[in-house]
Parts: sequence; C-alpha cells; structure tokens
Amino acid sequence: AQSVTQLGSHVSVSEGALVLLRCNYSSSVPPYLFWYVQYPNQGLQLLLKYTSAATLVKGINGFEAEFKKSETSFHLTKPSAHMSDAAEYFCAVRLVFGAGTILRVKS
Amino acid sequence: DTGVSQNPRHKITKRGQNVTFRCDPISEHNRLYWYRQTLGQGPEFLTYFQNEAQLEKSRLLSDRFSAERPKGSFSTLEIQRTEQGDSAMYLCASRDKGGTTETQYFGPGTRLLVL
Repeated sequence: AQSVTQLGSHVSVSEGALVLLRCNYSSSVPPYLFWYVQYPNQGLQLLLKYTSAATLVKGINGFEAEFKKSETSFHLTKPSAHMSDAAEYFCAVRLVFGAGTILRVKS
Repeated sequence: DTGVSQNPRHKITKRGQNVTFRCDPISEHNRLYWYRQTLGQGPEFLTYFQNEAQLEKSRLLSDRFSAERPKGSFSTLEIQRTEQGDSAMYLCASRDKGGTTETQYFGPGTRLLVL
C-alpha cells in the first residue's frame, strides 16, 4: 500500500525567496514519485518525477526534488520564487496523491 | 492539440439525474485513468483501462459509477442517480505503452455540480 503526506496545506513565500514544499511517502514497493502543479480550473501538469535513477531530480520551471530513502521524503524546492509559481502542488507515489499544498507568492 | 481532452468541461445537473463524461486520451497511449478530485483534496484514483480492458474498478465509489472504453480509444465515465456528494472535478489521464515510469498526462477535467 502507498500513502503520501504533504506537510502544510498552504505555504506563503516572498518573490525571490526559496520555495520548499514537503512530501513524505510510504510504499511497499520501489516508489515512482511525482510532483504535479495545478492552476485554477486546469488539470495537473507534471513538474518532475523520480524513477530510481539520480536522487536529485530536476524538473520544469526551475523546480527540483531530492529523493531521500532513509527519510522517505521527496521535497520540492526552487531557489527563487516567481509570481507565476502561485498554484497548488501535488506529490504522488504511483496512483496515490497527497492532499496538495497551495503556494502563495507575495510581491 | 495532441493532449488529453475532456468533455464537457462543466456540468450542472439535478440530483437523481444520470451524467456521462468523455475523455479522449493522447492517441498513442494505451492506458487511461479516471480520478475524482474534491475541493481541498488531491486526485482520488477510480479506475483504469489498458486498451479496452478495465483492469481495476474496485476503487469506483459505488455501483452508480461505471466506465467504458469500448474501442480502446476514448472512454466514458457515467454516474447514475447523481447525489450532491458527487459534486467534484473528474479528471482523466493517459499513459503511453512503453516505459515503466508510470508518467500520466492529465486532461483539464470535468467539473460536476449536483444541485
């Protein structure tokens, strides 16, 4: 069985600040891990994925995530937030999604 | 546009009515998935198809929910005797036949409101 926990339903950062969105998972099989972004009234867009290759995964729009097996974590980061990053972000392991984190970027 | 498409984008219906949603996957994708997303939650897996075969349907929320993919191309999701609790966004995703990464591509969703 798999499960995903996203810590913090809302995260607020200033423009130019570091973005850190947290995700912890549990999986009884080797995990395929994903981060998606969802803008209002739109479907989900894949940001990046971990598939047992490099533990540091780079995605689109300057996002990256690091797989840490010992911590069962797959946190999403971006060095400098942009206003256009404001959206809801979902972590997923295979077909199981977390509840999402809404990112707010303040000017 | 070669992405996943869903129709209609919005549906308002009265309680007790039947509704049907359509999903057209990316053309070369043989796997098709349906999810439900309620406000403040992540997508919840409902069912999936490989070609025309429905390989997992135990997650469908009740026997009022059914899905088909008769020719292995587009799929429909039907909800019979709708209830107010069915109000949600219904998402479709598809995945290509190759690879093992389980990367899905999502459509824009159909937002259902049951009055």
